[in-house]
Amino acid sequence: DQQVKQNSPSLSVQEGRISILNCDYTNSMFDYFLWYKKYPAEGPTFLISISSIKDKNEDGRFTVFLNKSAKHLSLHIVPSQPGDSAVYFCAAIGPFNYQLIWGAGTKLIIKP
Amino acid sequence: SQTIHQWPATLVQPVGSPLSLECTVEGTSNPNLYWYRQAAGRGLQLLFYSVGIGQISSEVPQNLSASRPQDRQFILSSKKLLLSDSGFYLCAWRGRLNTEAFFGQGTRLTVV
Repeated sequence: DQQVKQNSPSLSVQEGRISILNCDYTNSMFDYFLWYKKYPAEGPTFLISISSIKDKNEDGRFTVFLNKSAKHLSLHIVPSQPGDSAVYFCAAIGPFNYQLIWGAGTKLIIKP
Repeated sequence: SQTIHQWPATLVQPVGSPLSLECTVEGTSNPNLYWYRQAAGRGLQLLFYSVGIGQISSEVPQNLSASRPQDRQFILSSKKLLLSDSGFYLCAWRGRLNTEAFFGQGTRLTVV
């Protein structure tokens, strides 16, 4: 049972445009959400997070939106740059603090 | 500052041979430690986590085992590798009060 779902395996966006990566979750007990970026043959690196008490968090070109009623969050990258091409993982902190529940990832391709 | 070291970066091993991947964390104490595997085209699969020395929890039945002989050392092992053990293995840590997980650079294991 996938508690965190990233339904788009890949996404292609023109350089300079907005990239929107989506993530859905099923467990209403999740109280913290994180986005990670991963290049091939490297470990994931933390990008941005959001607490369940907020609906938006912004850091430079990255903004994460949380819709608790829909159990949905999204990562917006504006403007998209070639270096943003990577796999993006959504993760949630589970009911027990040691749990990190991961989505399957979305491969973002930025076209020049 | 905290750092995480994972080695080796790449490894080619024959079927039936043993495995030992090591991960050490610096700059923090009593971290939660994790071993993940990312198979080609798939998301992050949690293999093991540890909340303390000698405490190991396994998330999926498999041919692998983990040990935590010291507070900041986490080892992934196998007595006899299978072809299906090939993949990209990632070690990660989280502080007790932190939400973000920090990853090592990963080990690309190819079983031949």
